[in-house]
Amino acid sequence: SYVLTQPPSVSVAPGQTARITCGGNSIGSKSVHWYQQRPGQAPVLVVYDNTDRPSGIPERFSGSNSGNTATLTISRVEAGDEADYYCQVWDPSRDLPRVFGTGTKVTVL
Amino acid sequence: QVQLVQSGAEVKKPGSSVKVSCQASGGTFSRHAISWVRQAPGQGLEWMGRIIPIFGQTKYAQKFQDRVTITADKVTSTAYLELSSLRFEDTAMYYCARDNTVDIDTYMDVWGKGTTVTVSS
Repeated sequence: SYVLTQPPSVSVAPGQTARITCGGNSIGSKSVHWYQQRPGQAPVLVVYDNTDRPSGIPERFSGSNSGNTATLTISRVEAGDEADYYCQVWDPSRDLPRVFGTGTKVTVL
Repeated sequence: QVQLVQSGAEVKKPGSSVKVSCQASGGTFSRHAISWVRQAPGQGLEWMGRIIPIFGQTKYAQKFQDRVTITADKVTSTAYLELSSLRFEDTAMYYCARDNTVDIDTYMDVWGKGTTVTVSS
């Protein structure tokens, strides 16, 4: 099945920019979606179709996707952004068509 | 705004089955699919399968193909996940989530709060 690799952790100071990568073979040809999961809560969609934001998600959250890497960027990081972040794609393989990344813990220093 | 309301926590013995429900409140399942995603303690997200309620069409991750059944009741806008032959490693939080469209290549835009399933002897 298709594998998505994320760094286990990213640390960032308040007001700075956090970048979370999601690596996969030719991921640039796929639509990538990103979810935020705060401790003890259900996931929340923060970016879909590589670059789009659902209503209610701050403009500080943005996405890009090219080549073998997709990136979620969080600008002007706030304490409330501390959470786990997961990327997700669809893959036409029969065994696991919907794949999540390994997840990245964002810590606000 | 639609919300997904899940059933309460379950404690089951190994080898038994569990059935978890997910009801759409403030909306219906029309033009959407419902996916099930699980998360073992301290682990990441794992997609299990989904159903398109208006067609009854299902698709499962191969890992769960032999043990999982996803059904839906269009009248009550409720989806169900049944997992059989439970093992200790099935202990997890189980989430239902609404797929944005019926296409398989889509995202999950509304999530339930989750149902804890504990497998213990």
